[in-house]
Amino acid sequence: NAGVTQTPKFQVLKTGQSMTLQCAQDMNHEYMSWYRQDPGMGLRLIHYSVGAGITDQGEVPNGYNVSRSTTEDFPLRLLSAAPSQTSVYFCASTTSGRNEQFFGPGTRLTVL
Amino acid sequence: DQQVKQNSPSLSVQEGRISILNCDYTNSMFDYFLWYKKYPAEGPTFLISISSIKDKNEDGRFTVFLNKSAKHLSLHIVPSQPGDSAVYFCAARVYNQGGKLIFGQGTELSVKP
Repeated sequence: NAGVTQTPKFQVLKTGQSMTLQCAQDMNHEYMSWYRQDPGMGLRLIHYSVGAGITDQGEVPNGYNVSRSTTEDFPLRLLSAAPSQTSVYFCASTTSGRNEQFFGPGTRLTVL
Repeated sequence: DQQVKQNSPSLSVQEGRISILNCDYTNSMFDYFLWYKKYPAEGPTFLISISSIKDKNEDGRFTVFLNKSAKHLSLHIVPSQPGDSAVYFCAARVYNQGGKLIFGQGTELSVKP
């Protein structure tokens, strides 16, 4: 099992550019989530999904879109990047019967 | 409004002594509380959890205590080791919602030899 994988590891964008952060898991987990980590703020939930075709907003959803067409993949889209979206992004997954989430290695995004 | 708070940004402890990390929460709609450990440039890794109906859970050197009346939990590490040096995040799972964890700000633990 590769667990939770994220690509790319690093990305630099200019303000207004768009991009997609990829997240995949091979554990057949129904729950997947996106978090961002900022200094002094901990990890904050952006969007999450309880299964293919079902997504919902977290604490800080503005500026981000998600979709879940398969169980394995949960991409995060930035339609028009802003400097305030400079952060480290983590994807996580879990399954019913487990109370912990399993995290990917993260994507460090810088928006200039 | 921060629902889960870790008020100590950092903690320094001598090797072999006890480390106590604290966390407070304001919302009663959490069914599990979790502790994660994070090294630089890596994703958080799960350490230990406790159900909201329990008051203690132990796993080796790690023990988590939950005081529901005070809405407070703590992680005890005994004995502390230099490899324990990392950032520790407290998290709370929204009741019956596996995809929703609410995190505290983190506490950076430094264990000195």
